[in-house]
Amino acid sequence: AQTVTQSQPEMSVQEAETVTLSCTYDTSESNYYLFWYKQPPSRQMILVIRQEAYKQQNATENRFSVNFQKAAKSFSLKISDSQLGDTAMYFCAFMRDSWGKLQFGAGTQVVVTP
Amino acid sequence: NAGVMQNPRHLVRRRGQEARLRCSPMKGHSHVYWYRQLPEEGLKFMVYLQKENIIDESGMPKERFSAEFPKEGPSILRIQQVVRGDSAAYFCASSPPITGSSYEQYFGPGTRLTVT
Repeated sequence: AQTVTQSQPEMSVQEAETVTLSCTYDTSESNYYLFWYKQPPSRQMILVIRQEAYKQQNATENRFSVNFQKAAKSFSLKISDSQLGDTAMYFCAFMRDSWGKLQFGAGTQVVVTP
Repeated sequence: NAGVMQNPRHLVRRRGQEARLRCSPMKGHSHVYWYRQLPEEGLKFMVYLQKENIIDESGMPKERFSAEFPKEGPSILRIQQVVRGDSAAYFCASSPPITGSSYEQYFGPGTRLTVT
């Protein structure tokens, strides 16, 4: 069975600064997909970034980038130039194949302060 | 293209009543997933459906919960004889027919169920 671990319950960062969220996972699969979702106070789940395990290049989406370390089973998210609108709960998620269930970590609450 | 629609957004039921939660996937999406989020927790997978088929129900409680995705109309998550422990946010997600580059799940706004 796969597990997803987010060890930081809460992170605080000042506007314009950078914050890195950690995520580790456990799997015996060779092909899988990893995601970061954002859940602001509205509770809407918003896809931030995705990474295919077969790709060595780290994914980047504007101010969001990941550090994917397949051997270490680590998938951290870096938020650069943090903005107040980035305040949200961030969930790391694992998907075994290109279909099927997402398994989520417990989440990291990010608070961006002025 | 409208996003994933869920209704109602808020639902209050007394213990013992039935709750019906509806989900309309994005246009062109044929896969539907239901997740439950208990207070202060992450989302937990419940069931994965395609049109008229349950593909994976490994996360569904064995009793009182059922789901369907008929040929026509929305997907329905049905909870019979609700109990206080069923109070949670229920999220639906949809994805398009699976291709190598198209597999993300897009989430609806959720239905917050409160059992009194």
